[in-house]
Amino acid sequence: GAGVSQTPSNKVTEKGKYVELRCDPISGHTALYWYRQSLGQGPEFLIYFQGTGAADDSGLPNDRFFAVRPEGSVSTLKIQRTERGDSAVYLCASSLGGGPSEQFFGPGTRLTVL
Amino acid sequence: DAKTTQPTSMDCAEGRAANLPCNHSTISGNEYVYWYRQIHSQGPQYIIHGLKNNETNEMASLIITEDRKSSTLILPHATLRDTAVYYCIVRPGGDDKIIFGKGTRLHILP
Repeated sequence: GAGVSQTPSNKVTEKGKYVELRCDPISGHTALYWYRQSLGQGPEFLIYFQGTGAADDSGLPNDRFFAVRPEGSVSTLKIQRTERGDSAVYLCASSLGGGPSEQFFGPGTRLTVL
Repeated sequence: DAKTTQPTSMDCAEGRAANLPCNHSTISGNEYVYWYRQIHSQGPQYIIHGLKNNETNEMASLIITEDRKSSTLILPHATLRDTAVYYCIVRPGGDDKIIFGKGTRLHILP
């Protein structure tokens, strides 16, 4: 079946612009996670949704970052006034929810801020 | 911060067993040991997890010491496609964020 998909696969933007990154989780998965990964580092947690609500947004670095999941399926990560330091691969994962369940990761969106 | 310690890199000959160690001396009683791997330019991939008992699936085996302070991931017959960064993670059962460390970069040598 279809895995987690993310669009776009690559995004190049200029400093100060607004970007949206989309994640389509596996159908039926109630939990959705966003991570970002800088070169040579492990993924860093940003935010976790259980259904439509953000259960844990402690990883969002500042108020320029915001994420939504209005219908409990697709999620959008929004970054305002992008900075060069925001350049990274943004990963999305989903899981069935409840109990020790594995997270399935998408291929990521590579964001480059010039 | 990650609650695990792993070697930065390891080499293994193709066809041999790859044994990847992990220390997690501060693990709590309700925390599981998870392993993920990340092949270049892909998202992380789940391998296996366990609580107390050793576990085996089609990809690997997980050996957890009796005191649960360390574990070993075993890839029984490594192939070139197993070249990746392997992450050892401890986390509570249930939905929760994953705190990744830097992992072990495993090179499979032909």
